[in-house]
Amino acid sequence: TQLLEQSPQFLSIQEGENLTVYCNSSSVFSSLQWYRQEPGEGPVLLVTVVTGGEVKKLKRLTFQFGDARKDSSLHITAAQPGDTGLYLCAGVGSGAGSYQLTFGKGTKLSVIP
Amino acid sequence: ETGVTQTPRHLVMGMTNKKSLKCEQHLGHNAMYWYKQSAKKPLELMFVYSLEERVENNSVPSRFSPECPNSSHLFLHLHTLQPEDSALYLCASSQDLWGRSFTFGSGTRLTVV
Repeated sequence: TQLLEQSPQFLSIQEGENLTVYCNSSSVFSSLQWYRQEPGEGPVLLVTVVTGGEVKKLKRLTFQFGDARKDSSLHITAAQPGDTGLYLCAGVGSGAGSYQLTFGKGTKLSVIP
Repeated sequence: ETGVTQTPRHLVMGMTNKKSLKCEQHLGHNAMYWYKQSAKKPLELMFVYSLEERVENNSVPSRFSPECPNSSHLFLHLHTLQPEDSALYLCASSQDLWGRSFTFGSGTRLTVV
């Protein structure tokens, strides 16, 4: 069974601070996705990383895929209240059943104005 | 508007009731999914449909019964539920089973009393 561990589980920071959240596994994934979910809504895809060592930037968000494709991080620079939400990572496997996403439990981020 | 619409947004039902959740997507996608999101647990994949054919049933109790009449609509029929079935039920779609971009609906918040 593939598992994704996300840390920290909860994070509360002041507006303007930087933060990093982590997504770790003992399994190798063909790609990894990050979603943000706001209260009362479904997850919204932010990015997909595919290549080991890949770094993608989305405005103030920087996503990195580990060299071994087992882990990923999300770094937010100068956090804004609009960044508040649940951040989920999801791994895409390989081989039979690889269409299935394995989700982590998420990191709940609160950015205080 | 995410392109995936779920109704109702909220549902309270007794353990002896029968109800149905509806999902509709206007994205031209060929694969649709039901996920269950419970507190402190990762998203759990329940059912997968590709071109109206069910391709996955992840050991879901028979009190949950999916239906996919066409590639744009997905239903989840509920009967004789238990209080532990209370959760957010999310519908998602993707271009096909191997598409890496998933679009989620806003979910149905189900409470079983």
